[in-house]
Amino acid sequence: DTEVTQTPKHLVMGMTNKKSLKCEQHMGHRAMYWYKQKAKKPPELMFVYSYEKLSINESVPSRFSPECPNSSLLNLHLHALQPEDSALYLCASSQELGFGETQYFGPGTRLLVL
Amino acid sequence: DAKTTQPNSMESNEEEPVHLPCNHSTISGTDYIHWYRQLPSQGPEYVIHGLTSNVNNRMASLAIAEDRKSSTLILHRATLRDAAVYYCILRDVSGGTSYGKLTFGQGTILTVHP
Repeated sequence: DTEVTQTPKHLVMGMTNKKSLKCEQHMGHRAMYWYKQKAKKPPELMFVYSYEKLSINESVPSRFSPECPNSSLLNLHLHALQPEDSALYLCASSQELGFGETQYFGPGTRLLVL
Repeated sequence: DAKTTQPNSMESNEEEPVHLPCNHSTISGTDYIHWYRQLPSQGPEYVIHGLTSNVNNRMASLAIAEDRKSSTLILHRATLRDAAVYYCILRDVSGGTSYGKLTFGQGTILTVHP
């Protein structure tokens, strides 16, 4: 099973809302990633977790708060977002955090901030 | 990080071969060449990677120039399902700031005509 699942598929939220995105994998992977993809642009890395510890934060605003409660689960907590945060949020995982590790992506959560 | 240059778009007919070029003139000796693709409404998926020698797998072939300054992803018989954005990405295995990161460029939009 090489599947990464993400919920919800779509999310609409107001600027004062708090919501969470969820990502799950059961491949035994120890590295998990959040990417943001604006329309017609390539994905951009936001956060990387390795062995449930935050390894990379690409200077993401604090209104995005990642969490890795266990090795299979990755959350992205959203609070006080702006309309420009509307995008496709992609989760990925890899066996380890390494230079050439293949990353497996989920289908993404399409977020609209009103 | 070394950069890649790809054509913005390419077109092909179904069941014909497709050659997707990628230029990476500043590639270093420790850069692996990776290809991912992103089908419409899906997350990116790994296609193939190589260092110096040509590589084949069930999805595609990767032809790497002798000087490694360019490479070509070859789809032997394009199908409608191959319509996607194809990303050529360099991954440095020597460490440094790119550790664990997958940095996407603009990619090539491949259109396949029936």
